[in-house]
Amino acid sequence: AQSVTQLGSHVSVSEGALVLLRCNYSSSVPPYLFWYVQYPNQGLQLLLKYTSAATLVKGINGFEAEFKKSETSFHLTKPSAHMSDAAEYFCAVRNGEGTNAGKSTFGDGTTLTVKP
Amino acid sequence: GAGVSQSPRYKVAKRGQDVALRCDPISGHVSLFWYQQALGQGPEFLTYFQNEAQLDKSGLPSDRFFAERPEGSVSTLKIQRTQQEDSAVYLCASSPYKGEGNTIYFGEGSWLTVV
Repeated sequence: AQSVTQLGSHVSVSEGALVLLRCNYSSSVPPYLFWYVQYPNQGLQLLLKYTSAATLVKGINGFEAEFKKSETSFHLTKPSAHMSDAAEYFCAVRNGEGTNAGKSTFGDGTTLTVKP
Repeated sequence: GAGVSQSPRYKVAKRGQDVALRCDPISGHVSLFWYQQALGQGPEFLTYFQNEAQLDKSGLPSDRFFAERPEGSVSTLKIQRTQQEDSAVYLCASSPYKGEGNTIYFGEGSWLTVV
């Protein structure tokens, strides 16, 4: 079984401040981990993914995430928030085995608000 | 097309009506997924195809839900006798291969409202 917990359904930061969105996962096998962003009335766009290579993963728009196995975490960060970062962010885990390999489990999302 | 295309984008159905939602994946993509996203929640897995084979339908909430991909490209999600709790965004996604680390590409979704 696999699950994802995103701590904090709403996060508010000032423009230029550090963004930290938290994600903890549970997986019975080595996981593949993903962060997606969703803008209003749009589908999900991949920000970055961890697939057992480097533990620090860099993505688009200046975001990065670090896989910490000991903490079962995959927190998303960005050094300096921009107004255009305001959106919904989803963390997801994907199991790599058998016929369930296609199934991704998503967290409930974190809404990021950026204040001017 | 360049991305995953879904139609209709918006659908209002009367309770008890049948609906069909279409997904055109990215050309050549082997894997296709359907997810349901209720308001304020993350996407929930419904079903997964590899080519025309439906390998996992464990997420389909009831026998009113049916998905097919007969020729391994376009897929249709059908909901029979719609109920209010079916109101959600239905997201389709595709991936080049089964590969677990492969990126999956989402469409913009079909917004279903059952009244």
